[in-house]
Amino acid sequence: QVQLQESGPGLVKPSETLSLTCTVSGVSISGYFWSWIRQPPGKGLEWIGYIYYSENTNYNPFLKSRVTISLDRSKNQISLKLNSVTAADTAVYYCARVYTQCSGGSCYDSWGQGIPVTVSS
Amino acid sequence: QSALTQPRSVSGSPGQSVTISCTGSSSDVGGYNYVSWYQHHPGKAPKLMIYDVHKRPSGVPDRFSGSKSGNTASLIISGLQADDESDYYCCSYAGSNVVFGGGTKLTVL
Repeated sequence: QVQLQESGPGLVKPSETLSLTCTVSGVSISGYFWSWIRQPPGKGLEWIGYIYYSENTNYNPFLKSRVTISLDRSKNQISLKLNSVTAADTAVYYCARVYTQCSGGSCYDSWGQGIPVTVSS
Repeated sequence: QSALTQPRSVSGSPGQSVTISCTGSSSDVGGYNYVSWYQHHPGKAPKLMIYDVHKRPSGVPDRFSGSKSGNTASLIISGLQADDESDYYCCSYAGSNVVFGGGTKLTVL
């Protein structure tokens, strides 16, 4: 059974870089698409982007200039970096696996529990 | 403001049916049959309930169904049960983007 676990600092200062890691167990990250999704307090979910094992990426146009998603195959991990953060980036951040059966690559069958990140000085 | 519009809340009694709507545009919901729905209990991982508008992953009860008309998708839950009480989110492919709804809180009375 696939399990995803997000980790990283829960507090980031404004203008700095948010760095999170998603550790996957139960399956190799190769052969799947992986996404990061976030939920600001009191708001809906927001797609951040995805990466394929070939390292092909696609990002939310509104975040594209600040986001990098990468893979570490040796550790079976997916990483997220979001630079120049502001209070608007405060959210619970989730990593998720794209469901292989869904068309469009836009649905997710496995999620982490999420990690809350606050941007504040 | 989320890209897809959902009602903030819906409610129903046990055994009844409820419908949660998800309205977008021709650039997302209306343009593709790639709508999915998630059940999300706060503090837990979201769960995929419906994908490709109306398909159910293995293990999801057939009380949950999905449909779409124009720019609006719907999640229908029949035979409401107490543990259906949760937040529900819709999601749609939107070209090179993916958009979600703002979420609907389902209360089972």
